Formats: sequence, C-alpha cells, structure tokens
Amino acid sequence: AQKVTQAQTEISVVEKEDVTLDCVYETRDTTYYLFWYKQPPSGELVFLIRRNSFDEQNEISGRYSWNFQKSTSSFNFTITASQVVDSAVYFCALSSYGNNRLAFGKGNQVVVIP
Amino acid sequence: DTEVTQTPKHLVMGMTNKKSLKCEQHMGHRAMYWYKQKAKKPPELMFVYSYEKLSINESVPSRFSPECPNSSLLNLHLHALQPEDSALYLCASSQDSAGGNTEAFFGQGTRLTVV
Repeated sequence: AQKVTQAQTEISVVEKEDVTLDCVYETRDTTYYLFWYKQPPSGELVFLIRRNSFDEQNEISGRYSWNFQKSTSSFNFTITASQVVDSAVYFCALSSYGNNRLAFGKGNQVVVIP
Repeated sequence: DTEVTQTPKHLVMGMTNKKSLKCEQHMGHRAMYWYKQKAKKPPELMFVYSYEKLSINESVPSRFSPECPNSSLLNLHLHALQPEDSALYLCASSQDSAGGNTEAFFGQGTRLTVV
C-alpha cells in the first residue's frame, strides 16, 4: 500500500519568510515517482515537480526548492521569500511504476500574510 | 500548451436532473482521469481512461457514467445524484497511461452542487 503523510495542515507565514512543507511517503515499490501540486483558490491543481525514485538530486526552481531523501522517505518542499500569491493548498503525491493511481497526501494550506 | 479545459465551471442540479461534465485536452495525452474533491480533502480518483478505454473504475456508483468519445474528450454523465455528491470534479490528463512516471495536468474543475 502507498501512503503520503503531510503532517502540517495549515501554515501561516508573513510575507518574505521561508516556509518548508514536509512530505513523508511509504511504498514497497522500488521504482516510484513523487510529485508536488499547488491548488490555488481557483481550484486547478498546478503541477510543480516530479522526482523519480532513482534520482535523489535536489532541485531549485526560482523561489521553490525540493529536498528528496530516500533514507528518510521524505520529499520536502521549501518556498523561499514567500509572497501572497503563494497562498494555496500544496499536495504531495506518489505513484509507482506500472500504476497511474496517484496517492495524495492531505495537503498543506499555506497562508501568506502581507 | 499544457491546458485541460473543463465545462461548465459551476453547476447546480436537482436530484432528478441529468447533466454532463465535459473535459478537453489537446496535448496528445492518452490517459484521462476524473477525480472528485470534497472541501479540505485531497482529490479522490474516480475513473481512468487509457487509449480511450476505461481502465480503472474505483467502485464509483452507477449514477456517475464516464465516456471518452475520442482521445481529446472526456465526459462525465450525471443522473439521480445525491446532495453528498456535491464536490469539485477535476479532470486530468497525462502522457503515459500506465507507467505512472509522467505528471498529470489538471483542469480548473467543475464545482457541482446537488440540491
């Protein structure tokens, strides 16, 4: 069975602060894929990143960065210098090779206060 | 173009009505999905179409009937819904139908209210 845990439900930060969202996953598969999606109030889930299980390289994209550690089964997401437009629900998700079901975490509601 | 278009954006229907949700993508993706999302919850998978064939039905009640007329279109036919079916219905598509290793792109969803 696959499981994704996002322990923090709601996180409030003041604009320009950094915020880190934790994602811990469980899977018995050796080949799997991790994703982060952003869901603003408009409802659309916006794809942010995909990471394959065999690629532990961290990634930075603008103010976003991701830290993938297989040893701790974690795929954490950091927003640097947060902005009001970052206010959204962020979902971490997991799928396995040969299975296109996405297992979502419960999501992190991020509120950036101006 | 990474766009999935859903219509309508909002829908209010009575329990005896029949309505349809529509989804369209022009990215050449061969997998299309319907998800249901209740407030403050993650999306829940309902159906998956792979190469225009239904490949996954997550034990969804028969009052929800999916249809994939061609590789770009996905419909969800609704009939005799219950108030608890009120939710955000999201359509998604992805390039890979079974590998699990490609990202899904989502539409903005249809906010459905059953009265």
